[in-house]
Amino acid sequence: DAKTTQPPSMDCAEGRAANLPCNHSTISGNEYVYWYRQIHSQGPQYIIHGLKNNETNEMASLIITEDRKSSTLILPHATLRDTAVYYCIVRGINTNAGKSTFGDGTTLTVKP
Amino acid sequence: DAEITQSPRHKITETGRQVTLACHQTWNHNNMFWYRQDLGHGLRLIHYSYGVQDTNKGEVSDGYSVSRSNTEDLPLTLESAASSQTSVYFCASSGTGNQPQHFGDGTRLSIL
Repeated sequence: DAKTTQPPSMDCAEGRAANLPCNHSTISGNEYVYWYRQIHSQGPQYIIHGLKNNETNEMASLIITEDRKSSTLILPHATLRDTAVYYCIVRGINTNAGKSTFGDGTTLTVKP
Repeated sequence: DAEITQSPRHKITETGRQVTLACHQTWNHNNMFWYRQDLGHGLRLIHYSYGVQDTNKGEVSDGYSVSRSNTEDLPLTLESAASSQTSVYFCASSGTGNQPQHFGDGTRLSIL
């Protein structure tokens, strides 16, 4: 099962783009990359996911390298409310859906 | 709107007691998951289920059990609570394919 590596912490200025990296060098062909965030002690909130193409939604963009060994979550205009722990996980589908690991994530602090 | 609810939100109990945490989802999702999160760390998978009568062990399943008698519910039971099981417990569900997990708000369990 693929594991992920993320920096423990990052800072970002309010209004600037936040770029959060994730390494998943052992990802297999049918595994997706998912990003979640957790604010305080709330339940993790889904942000975005992708297989191999770049993805964008109203919250963020996901850039996956061509070899799929790493990805970057981009919050285009970070606000103070984006301060949270961000988790990158790799997960298969259907019968492999349970085999995912949440690491310790990246604590993003957005500063005024 | 569909949702996933956990109860109780907070519980204090004594070592050796049996404890059951409830998880109920109205998404009609086949996949359900239980995680624990210790202070300052990421989520660790306890048990998961792909459908009625199906249960699987996660990475930290010792001392925990689950049963899946219907689609909506996956109760988590601590057979004989131990102080090491003091943690925040999150339930999640997901649909088929590559659909993301939806998390509950968590249960904060203290075992004295």
